[in-house]
Amino acid sequence: EAGVTQSPTHLIKTRGQQATLRCSPISGHTSVYWYQQALGLGLQFLLWYDEGEERNRGNFPPRFSGRQFPNYSSELNVNALELEDSALYLCASSLGRISGNTIYFGEGSWLTVV
Amino acid sequence: GQQLNQSPQSMFIQEGEDVSMNCTSSSIFNTWLWYKQDPGEGPVLLIALYKAGELTSNGRLTAQFGITRKDSFLNISASIPSDVGIYFCAGCQNTGGFKTIFGAGTRLFVKA
Repeated sequence: EAGVTQSPTHLIKTRGQQATLRCSPISGHTSVYWYQQALGLGLQFLLWYDEGEERNRGNFPPRFSGRQFPNYSSELNVNALELEDSALYLCASSLGRISGNTIYFGEGSWLTVV
Repeated sequence: GQQLNQSPQSMFIQEGEDVSMNCTSSSIFNTWLWYKQDPGEGPVLLIALYKAGELTSNGRLTAQFGITRKDSFLNISASIPSDVGIYFCAGCQNTGGFKTIFGAGTRLFVKA
């Protein structure tokens, strides 16, 4: 069974541009989470989607946004990129918000802003 | 806000030694999770604990869900070089939806 898959693996953007990262959850999972991990640092919670709706948001500016599609896949958009947005972006999934208290991570997408 | 205190921040050990790390919080959790992250990769779930007092093993790894539901520990026995990585604890609460909080991680270095 496929795990959480993310694309692209690596992305290089210029400051001010927009980046879009994609995530497919484990089959049967309806919740998707996004985390940012800057180099050498811990996991910073970005967004949580379940059943197509945004359920929770971390302490990030509005230029970080996303959505969840009817097939439960998700994308994360980062607008007006800044150098400090360079990080590993991790997507995770779990069973829905009623029963999904164990989250599984994808391999991550490396975003480099130059 | 809520946070988990994970310690130690880093450990430098010899191959074959046992390792112990823990997480504590002032908040109560329904679930404790332990992950390992290899460099450049996503965290991989090692052990999930769902009941206070639960002691669970996965090979050389053993983890326990504290009786107070505010802490958990992870032990690694007879460490080997491939144990190198960052170990994260995570506590999960069910507050009308699952809220998962991560510790800052323990960086483990194993010398052969």
